[in-house]
Amino acid sequence: NAGVTQTPKFRILKIGQSMTLQCTQDMNHNYMYWYRQDPGMGLKLIYYSVGAGITDKGEVPNGYNVSRSTTEDFPLRLELAAPSQTSVYFCASSYLDQPQHFGDGTRLSIL
Amino acid sequence: KQEVTQIPAALSVPEGENLVLNCSFTDSAIYNLQWFRQDPGKGLTSLLLIQSSQREQTSGRLNASLDKSSGRSTLYIAASQPGDSATYLCAVPLSSGSARQLTFGSGTQLTVLP
Repeated sequence: NAGVTQTPKFRILKIGQSMTLQCTQDMNHNYMYWYRQDPGMGLKLIYYSVGAGITDKGEVPNGYNVSRSTTEDFPLRLELAAPSQTSVYFCASSYLDQPQHFGDGTRLSIL
Repeated sequence: KQEVTQIPAALSVPEGENLVLNCSFTDSAIYNLQWFRQDPGKGLTSLLLIQSSQREQTSGRLNASLDKSSGRSTLYIAASQPGDSATYLCAVPLSSGSARQLTFGSGTQLTVLP
């Protein structure tokens, strides 16, 4: 049972480039989440989804987009990368409001 | 807006010591409170979830308490071990009535010395 899988693990982008962070879960969880964690800080919610076809903004959604076409996948897209988006990105999933299961993160640097 | 504070930011203790980690939050109308563990380079692992109607939860050597009226929670670790070394974060919902949007404290980095 793989749980929550995030790819890639590391990535360096140039300012203005775009990329998609992938997240997939095999636990049939209906809820999925994207967070970012800046050094020495807690996590901040970017977007979340309560089921396929349904997404909603979290605390810090600007500069990001998401889609949820299947229960398993919840990709996060950066359209125009900016230095302020340098961070560690975590994807998580849960069954309803039960404890969230986290992936190991994607470490993204934008130069 | 819900804000979560964790003090201290870092803590170093000798093996075998009992210790308490603190978490405070500004809006007491919370649905629940969770404690997570984060190992270096890894994601978060849920340790304990306390519902708003509960006062405490226990799992092995861990005991978490919740005092909604004072906006505080504590995580008690008994007989600490080097394997307990990690960052511990607490999280509460951003708004009352929904556990989907969590706001996190910045964590306490715990080092247990052998």
